Amino acid sequence: DIQMTQSPSTLSASVGDRVTITCRASQSVSSWLAWYQQKPGKAPKLLILKASSLASGVPSRFSGSGSGTEFTLTISSLQPDDFATYYCQQYNAYSPLYTFGQGTKVEIK
Amino acid sequence: EVQLVESGGGLMQPGGSLRLSCAASGFTVTSNSMNWIRQAPGKGLEWVSSIYSGANTYYADSVKGRFTVSRDKSKNTVYLQMNSLRLEDTAVYYCAREPSGTDAFDIWGQGTMVTVSS
Repeated sequence: DIQMTQSPSTLSASVGDRVTITCRASQSVSSWLAWYQQKPGKAPKLLILKASSLASGVPSRFSGSGSGTEFTLTISSLQPDDFATYYCQQYNAYSPLYTFGQGTKVEIK
Repeated sequence: EVQLVESGGGLMQPGGSLRLSCAASGFTVTSNSMNWIRQAPGKGLEWVSSIYSGANTYYADSVKGRFTVSRDKSKNTVYLQMNSLRLEDTAVYYCAREPSGTDAFDIWGQGTMVTVSS
């Protein structure tokens, strides 16, 4: 099974900060990596697909990069609406088809 | 409007069965990969099952042999039949669409809670 490890697990930041979250895969997933934002009691929202493509309607302050086993999600200037939990997700052709990271909670500093 | 609406969750005893439904609007379920993803209380996301546009089905090892995913084209609805329920199946179950070739879940339902308890 491919394991996805996010760091940090919790991040304290202020409005306007540049924030970076890392996701590492236990083996190469090429560019089949997506990022989601989830707020309490709500379904996740797709932010980034194929490692670096911004999903429709997502603000340009969100960006993704990486390939193979190391990926990053960057928020260029943190906004009040961005305090949430973020998950990475990989796809591969073997079971399990999809695996999520354990999540990174972005809190107000 | 493109949306997914899940239903069918509830409180069940261990060993029981439940069928979840995911009604789609604004798109056709048979033209996309449709997926079930769950989230146990206070925990992260776990992929459960997929049914691809070609009708191939896939399952996480934790539910293989107990859960069955299916779809009804006429109702534009996807189902998850859950048998032999275990305490560890307790979670919010989300239905999500994956457009072909993206390997990412772009539309999610609101989720339905399944609680397995004696």
